Amino acid sequence: GEDVEQSLFLSVREGDSSVINCTYTDSSSTYLYWYKQEPGAGLQLLTYIFSNMDMKQDQRLTVLLNKKDKHLSLRIADTQTGDSAIYFCAESPRGDDKIIFGKGTRLHILP
Amino acid sequence: DSGVTQTPKHLITATGQRVTLRCSPRSGDLSVYWYQQSLDQGLQFLIQYYNGEERAKGNILERFSAQQFPDLHSELNLSSLELGDSALYFCASSVQGHEQYFGPGTRLTVT
Repeated sequence: GEDVEQSLFLSVREGDSSVINCTYTDSSSTYLYWYKQEPGAGLQLLTYIFSNMDMKQDQRLTVLLNKKDKHLSLRIADTQTGDSAIYFCAESPRGDDKIIFGKGTRLHILP
Repeated sequence: DSGVTQTPKHLITATGQRVTLRCSPRSGDLSVYWYQQSLDQGLQFLIQYYNGEERAKGNILERFSAQQFPDLHSELNLSSLELGDSALYFCASSVQGHEQYFGPGTRLTVT
């Protein structure tokens, strides 16, 4: 089946690193994504990783993929107040059609 | 700004009514996707169109229908509306399939 699980809340102090974790069930997923949703806004594609990669880095963002454990994580270095949002982990079984989303992790930044 | 536009931004209507949500994809994108975001169900894929043809179907109710026109804009029609249809409806578009860019959404309130 297709299911994506992630914790609902994470609180991090400003300047620290945030790590948001996610597990998925479909081992055939070709693409895995992280989307960001700010209050009252749509979803912004932050980054994605192809299933044959272990890691992808993009400025302050690092995505780690453990395909054996079906575990995906997003690390945000030097977390800022502007990073406060809901982060959605998602998978695409075929890569060209639907995306299956988790429920989202609300990231709260502590001063 | 993702380049995907959706109208209207907000819609309030009564149970039993019918509404049409409109989406214009990014220039050059042939695929359009519709998603529903509600508090209890999270983000659910509804349907995908590619260059005017239905490509994939998700958890779309029979009361809902969509189409993509020759100019590639898409409409999502929701009929016999129920209270439970109140949600945010997102449209996304892509050219390569695995990178979906989301519009700002239409917030539908059914009273």
